[in-house]
Amino acid sequence: DVKVTQSSRYLVKRTGEKVFLECVQDMDHENMFWYRQDPGLGLRLIYFSYDVKMKEKGDIPEGYSVSREKKERFSLILESASTNQTSMYLCASSLSSWGGGQVGYTFGSGTRLTVV
Amino acid sequence: ILNVEQSPQSLHVQEGDSTNFTCSFPSSNFYALHWYRWETAKSPEALFVMTLNGDEKKKGRISATLNTKEGYSYLYIKGSQPEDSATYLCALVAPYNNNDMRFGAGTRLTVKP
Repeated sequence: DVKVTQSSRYLVKRTGEKVFLECVQDMDHENMFWYRQDPGLGLRLIYFSYDVKMKEKGDIPEGYSVSREKKERFSLILESASTNQTSMYLCASSLSSWGGGQVGYTFGSGTRLTVV
Repeated sequence: ILNVEQSPQSLHVQEGDSTNFTCSFPSSNFYALHWYRWETAKSPEALFVMTLNGDEKKKGRISATLNTKEGYSYLYIKGSQPEDSATYLCALVAPYNNNDMRFGAGTRLTVKP
């Protein structure tokens, strides 16, 4: 069974902390994505990567960075967590571009981050 | 900027009712439309990928139609069951950005037994 695994289901961090959200996929997918989901808003793309060591900004990259040192792992980094980064974070991967072709994206189950 | 709109925002139905909801998008920006089901505490799961105007896809009691000329897709659930309770997301893939899917805010469906 193919999987995208996010390391934590729930996280509580303090304002100003550096936070790492980890995502690992076991499908040998090239493309990986980080989204956040907030009430009343669609999933918003933070960053994506289409290859090892490659990264592209999405719609809301401010306050975030990413790391992709290995194909299977894509990390989202909050350099200095703030309360407005309290959200549900979803990682996804896909084999092909163009929305994952006929299969779409495979998502992790999300990390609910609370910054206090 | 692509705006993908979903309506209604939430929906409560009784078990056995049939229901439908809408995803609308700019008709001039279309490559593919995806539907996902997102149950609480689980991963969003791909339901359908639709690319052609007039496409109709079906999976069990759930089906979807696509009209690219007028910019909308409908998702139908026949004979809703409590296990259908979830948030249903649609997402648009635009022709000029091959690594970007634009998601709607979702329709939250609750099916009461």
